[in-house]
Order: sequence, then structure tokens, then C-alpha cells
Amino acid sequence: AQSVAQPEDQVNVAEGNPLTVKCTYSVSGNPYLFWYVQYPNRGLQFLLKYITGDNLVKGSYGFEAEFNKSQTSFHLKKPSALVSDSALYFCAVRDSFSWGKLQFGAGTQVVVTP
Amino acid sequence: SQTIHQWPATLVQPVGSPLSLECTVEGTSNPNLYWYRQAAGRGLQLLFYSVGIGQISSEVPQNLSASRPQDRQFILSSKKLLLSDSGFYLCAWSVRSGGAPYNEQFFGPGTRLTVL
Repeated sequence: AQSVAQPEDQVNVAEGNPLTVKCTYSVSGNPYLFWYVQYPNRGLQFLLKYITGDNLVKGSYGFEAEFNKSQTSFHLKKPSALVSDSALYFCAVRDSFSWGKLQFGAGTQVVVTP
Repeated sequence: SQTIHQWPATLVQPVGSPLSLECTVEGTSNPNLYWYRQAAGRGLQLLFYSVGIGQISSEVPQNLSASRPQDRQFILSSKKLLLSDSGFYLCAWSVRSGGAPYNEQFFGPGTRLTVL
């Protein structure tokens, strides 16, 4: 079985400050972890993924995520947030046994204020 | 490059009417295809997925059905819509590669369905 949790319903941050969106997971086998962003009334856009190797993954639009196996976490980060980063962020996980099926978190709304 | 299309973008339908939502992918062959529903709020629910023409797996018993008449075409249907079918419907595709679990999914722009 696989599951993912995004403990924060909303994250508020001032423009220029660092942004962190939290994600923890539970899988039976090796985890494959993904981050997506959704703007209002749009589809999800892929940001980055962790497969194996370096625990720090760099993705689109200046985002990165850190894989922590001992804490079963995959937090999304951005050093300096922009107002345009305001959106809904989804963490997703798949284990090596679950063909094709991504398990999505509930989503975290990010609000970046000028 | 690959693109994914969904139409219509928005749809308002009366209860009991039929439904047909279409999704097509360009620029790739033999993709895995998925239908999701995003209800008010935010959660994503996987409805159907397909590994090939005519091969459909259903994740949740419901009022909906899916078909894949062509390699890059995925259709979501209903014979009689319910109020609870309202939501944002998203189609997605991924590279098949033997079902590799590390292939990301790419999403279409979505269809907003309102059932009145």
C-alpha cells in the first residue's frame, strides 16, 4: 500500500522569503516521488521527481525537493518565493509494486504576498 | 513535443443526460492514459487507466465508463449523469516503458463539468 500526506492545508509566505511545502509518504517498496503544481482551472504541471541517487532534486521554475529516507519525507523548496508561485501544490508517490498508479496528497495551497 | 488535449473545456449538463469527454495525445505512441476527477476542494481521484487500445481498468465503481478506441484517444462517458458527477475531469498520459513506476504523468487542461 502507498500513501502520501501533506500536513499543511495552506502555506503563507512573503515574496522573496524561502518557501517550503511539506510531504511525507508511506510505501511498501522503493518510493518514486513527484511534485506537481496546479493553477486555478488548469491541469497539473509536473515540477520534479525523485527516482534514486542524489537526495536533492532540482526541478522547474527554481523549485527543488529533498528526499529524506529516514523521515520518509520529500519536502518541496524554493529559496525565494514569487507572487506567481501562488498555486496548489500536490505531492505524489508510487512504489515499485503499484503499476501506473500515482497516489496524490490532498494538496497544499501556497499564497505568496507582495 | 508531446501535447494533450481535452474538450470541451466547460460543460453544463442536466441530471440524467449523457456525457462524453474526449482526450487526445499528440507526439507520442503507446502511452498509458488516465482519467482523474478533482472534486470541489482539491483531492484527485483516479477513475480509469489504460495500457492500450480497448484495455481499460476501473478504479472506482461509479456511474462512468471509459473507452480507448484509438492509441492516443481516451473517452469518458456516462449514460445518465448524477449531481455527484460534477467536478473537474483531468486526463493524463505517461510513457509506457514497461510500466516503469518512475515515469511522470502529464496532464491535460481539464474539463469543468457542472450537473444541474
